[in-house]
Amino acid sequence: SQTIHQWPATLVQPVGSPLSLECTVEGTSNPNLYWYRQAAGRGLQLLFYSVGIGQISSEVPQNLSASRPQDRQFILSSKKLLLSDSGFYLCAWRPGQNYGYTFGSGTRLTVV
Amino acid sequence: QQQVKQSPQSLIVQKGGIPIINCAYENTAFDYFPWYQQFPGKGPALLIAIRPDVSEKKEGRFTISFNKSAKQFSLHIMDSQPGDSATYFCAASNYGGATNKLIFGTGTLLAVQP
Repeated sequence: SQTIHQWPATLVQPVGSPLSLECTVEGTSNPNLYWYRQAAGRGLQLLFYSVGIGQISSEVPQNLSASRPQDRQFILSSKKLLLSDSGFYLCAWRPGQNYGYTFGSGTRLTVV
Repeated sequence: QQQVKQSPQSLIVQKGGIPIINCAYENTAFDYFPWYQQFPGKGPALLIAIRPDVSEKKEGRFTISFNKSAKQFSLHIMDSQPGDSATYFCAASNYGGATNKLIFGTGTLLAVQP
């Protein structure tokens, strides 16, 4: 079966520290992968998407970056976190054209 | 042109009522319109979706109405229950596009009172 995993579920990090959030998908190949951020009580903002290994497109200028080192792995990173980076980070995938999105369970990041 | 406008921001109904959430879009290239349901602390889950070749789609108590000429679509929840209390997001995308970016509305917080 096809599943998506995100970890960690919660994270508290000090300002200026690095960040690495990981998302993996099982049971499929060559999925489109997406990172979204949701601020408290707000909507979903698309941060990055990837249509293949090493192919990353950025939607919002910020101090975050994304990488896709393997077909089913998508990583969100930061070298130095800001307070404004706090939020709920969601990974999503789409198996290919003509399929809908499936979201992971999310990572709650609090920058202190 | 990439925006999806959603209203209302919040909604309170009594059990058994029919909450209606509305969305509007500008980009005529959009051809896939899903609705997502999100409970606190969880990722959004696909509830129901529609393509513009039909004006209405029903799945259980959930119905999407679609008006292509007005570029509007709405979600109706029949016989609403307290368990339906959640945040609902509409979205739109170019379904067959290579990148298929899903653009979300700002969300509606629904509370169904017992």
